[in-house]
Order: sequence, then C-alpha cells, then structure tokens
Amino acid sequence: QQQVKQSPQSLIVQKGGISIINCAYENTAFDYFPWYQQFPGKGPALLIAIRPDVSEKKEGRFTISFNKSAKQFSLHIMDSQPGDSATYFCAASKGSSNTGKLIFGQGTTLQVKP
Amino acid sequence: DAGVIQSPRHEVTEMGQEVTLRCKPISGHNSLFWYRQTMMRGLELLIYFNNNVPIDDSGMPEDRFSAKMPNASFSTLKIQPSEPRDSAVYFCASSLTSGGTYEQYFGPGTRLTVT
Repeated sequence: QQQVKQSPQSLIVQKGGISIINCAYENTAFDYFPWYQQFPGKGPALLIAIRPDVSEKKEGRFTISFNKSAKQFSLHIMDSQPGDSATYFCAASKGSSNTGKLIFGQGTTLQVKP
Repeated sequence: DAGVIQSPRHEVTEMGQEVTLRCKPISGHNSLFWYRQTMMRGLELLIYFNNNVPIDDSGMPEDRFSAKMPNASFSTLKIQPSEPRDSAVYFCASSLTSGGTYEQYFGPGTRLTVT
C-alpha cells in the first residue's frame, strides 16, 4: 500500500512533442503528489506538485493531471525540449505523518531528441 | 541559503574500510532524509529524522549502516565495514514540515565507490 508505481521506465520524444509519464498509488491517505526532476550528477529537485482537491495543475509547459478515483496522476511536458532530458520521479506523501516522508516512484529517464 | 551541503562529493575506499558521509541540512528545516541511488534499485530511502529523532530506519540495508543526527545542523551516515555492493550515490535531503508543505531539498550527493 505504500508503493507508487511509475511508468514508463524510459521515454524518447522528439523535440516539440508531448512527454507523458504516469504514476499509480494504492494508499488513499496520500494527499500530496510532487514530481521531481533530476539531471545527471545532480540531486532531484521539485518540479511541480498537486493536492487531491484539484484535477489539474499547470506551470509553464509542465502539467500534472490527477484522477482521484483511479488513484493515478501523470506529468505532461508540452513542447518537449532537449533541455528537458532528465530523470523524472513521481512521489506521494500523507499529511498525517507530519514528517515529510515521500514515497518515490522508480523514475523515468526522458530523452528529447533535437 | 547555501542549500543542503554534503561531503565528501566523491569517496573511493577499499572493501572493509569505514566510510562516513556528512550532511548539513538547510537551516530551519526539521526533517532530514538519507537516500541511496543505484541504476538497479533507483532511489531508496534509508532513514529519516524528524526534529533530530530517527523516525524510520527500515530502509537501512543491514547493521553495517548507521546514521546519527546529533543536532539540527548535522547528520552522518556511516558504513562499517564497507562492501563493493555499497557503491552508489548517497543523497541527503531536508524539509520543513509545517503547514502541510513537504518539499524536500536534495544535496548534490556523495558518489561512493568501494573497491
């Protein structure tokens, strides 16, 4: 119940295309769903996050879509650029823990071809 | 703020040696997390502290691993004795858990190679 399952493991997209990464969770107590971006040689960094009271959140070219009934959420990268090439992690957390622990997915390596 | 600081950035050691990784969290943050990242296993949470107290160490692989947080501004992860399978990138992250915000700020990581 603590797992977050992420797919695909890797993704190749042409410049200008749409990149879509999906995550699914089991624990309905989760109330915070962030996406982290990691470039080679760096630590992961928060990209965008959503709470279950909204179905979509958009920040620039990055959008999270959230489906509470299906217990799924996804990251959409519009107009993908070579600079978006990185590893992306979804995560989930439950506020009742009050410790900030995040359950991370396995990660998706995105390559955007010029 | 300088962000989360980790040292050393790279460590090469021989099997059987003791290794100590260090972390300075962002000032004012009250939770600290140690992760290990490998190609095979991805990003694994090893242990985390809240207000300097270890909350969950279930991710620590075995008794060779230990972690301490003697005060709010310093934590160590020790491996004794080290083994080649411990080779990985170890990340420290910190967060301020108040008002329902859970953003974790990661350090640059320590790349450990055990030969």
